[in-house]
Amino acid sequence: GQNIDQPTEMTATEGAIVQINCTYQTSGFNGLFWYQQHAGEAPTFLSYNVLDGLEEKGRFSSFLSRSKGYSYLLLKELQMKDSASYLCAVTDSNYQLIWGAGTKLIIKP
Amino acid sequence: DAGVTQSPTHLIKTRGQHVTLRCSPISGHKSVSWYQQVLGQGPQFIFQYYEKEERGRGNFPDRFSARQFPNYSSELNVNALLLGDSALYLCASSFDRGRPKNIQYFGAGTRLSVL
Repeated sequence: GQNIDQPTEMTATEGAIVQINCTYQTSGFNGLFWYQQHAGEAPTFLSYNVLDGLEEKGRFSSFLSRSKGYSYLLLKELQMKDSASYLCAVTDSNYQLIWGAGTKLIIKP
Repeated sequence: DAGVTQSPTHLIKTRGQHVTLRCSPISGHKSVSWYQQVLGQGPQFIFQYYEKEERGRGNFPDRFSARQFPNYSSELNVNALLLGDSALYLCASSFDRGRPKNIQYFGAGTRLSVL
């Protein structure tokens, strides 16, 4: 079967750094996405990785290791508005997105 | 440019009824995907349509059906509603399909409550 695992919930402090991990087992791999979803809103695209390594985009970075079936999203200089759920999704061999359950990130002042 | 638009935003139905949800993709996007999201879970794939043809179907019963129109808008239909169908239904559009970096852009969703 296909499976994506993420921690259910994480808490961090404003101004700090947090790393959200994602491990996956899917039938084929054509890339990994991270989306942000604020409560009651639609998911919005954050990043995409298909090759091993780190992709940096402002305060957010995403890392991929295909051999380990592992990715992480790194958020720096946390702001209160970063409180949201972060969804990891993998494109499988049929180019369908398989989604994790999401990690709810709580930012405290 | 307008993003993905979905209607209605909220809907209350009773068990056994039928519902139709609508989605207009971003202009120029030819692919529409439908997802069901239950509170605290990630989106569950229901259907993907590309160029008016069904290109993928998730593990949902035949009570769920969809179609895509010549203008690439789409409808999701659910018959014989069950309490368990209560969820946020998301529509996502993308320019293409079958390519690795095919970013999906989501609408705000339709929140369906079945009583």
